[in-house]
Amino acid sequence: GESVGLHLPTLSVQEGDNSIINCAYSNSASDYFIWYKQESGKGPQFIIDIRSNMDKRQGQRVTVLLNKTVKHLSLQIAATQPGDSAVYFCAENVGGNKLVFGAGTILRVKS
Amino acid sequence: DAGVTQSPTHLIKTRGQQVTLRCSPKSGHDTVSWYQQALGQGPQFIFQYYEEEERQRGNFPDRFSGHQFPNYSSELNVNALLLGDSALYLCASSLASSNEQFFGPGTRLTVL
Repeated sequence: GESVGLHLPTLSVQEGDNSIINCAYSNSASDYFIWYKQESGKGPQFIIDIRSNMDKRQGQRVTVLLNKTVKHLSLQIAATQPGDSAVYFCAENVGGNKLVFGAGTILRVKS
Repeated sequence: DAGVTQSPTHLIKTRGQQVTLRCSPKSGHDTVSWYQQALGQGPQFIFQYYEEEERQRGNFPDRFSGHQFPNYSSELNVNALLLGDSALYLCASSLASSNEQFFGPGTRLTVL
């Protein structure tokens, strides 16, 4: 069946360090992937996306890497800040904007 | 631009009751998707509406139904509520021609 999973449920990093959040997906036909950030009491907030014809995309302090061979996605956050503390989800667009989400990784930033 | 709005913010119901949740999409968006997010889990796709029709549906029973109005706003209805329906219900809007979806803050439903 369709599934997107995350390797690490909780990640604790020191402020200023880089963070890497990983995700595995199962639908090899998916052509669009998104990372969302969800803070307590709020809906998911778009961070960055990537299409399957790319293997890397950079934003402001964030980079998404896609490895289609092993169906793996990662989110890198540079110089992690306390405001980055949240739950991070990867999501897979399985067609017609239907998203399949992973369970999420909690990112805790220690000051 | 108010973004995606949802009402109510919180709701408490008892088993067997019915509930209606509402969503107003981001200005200019024509597609609305609904997701259920249980505590500690990722959102699960319920269904999607476009041009007032259900276009896609996830693995949810018929107790879950919806509607989209001509102004693109949408409702999610759940009948015969079960304890397991307790969750955060998220609405996401998008343009049919675009992949990017914007989520609302959600409605927290508690079934007692």
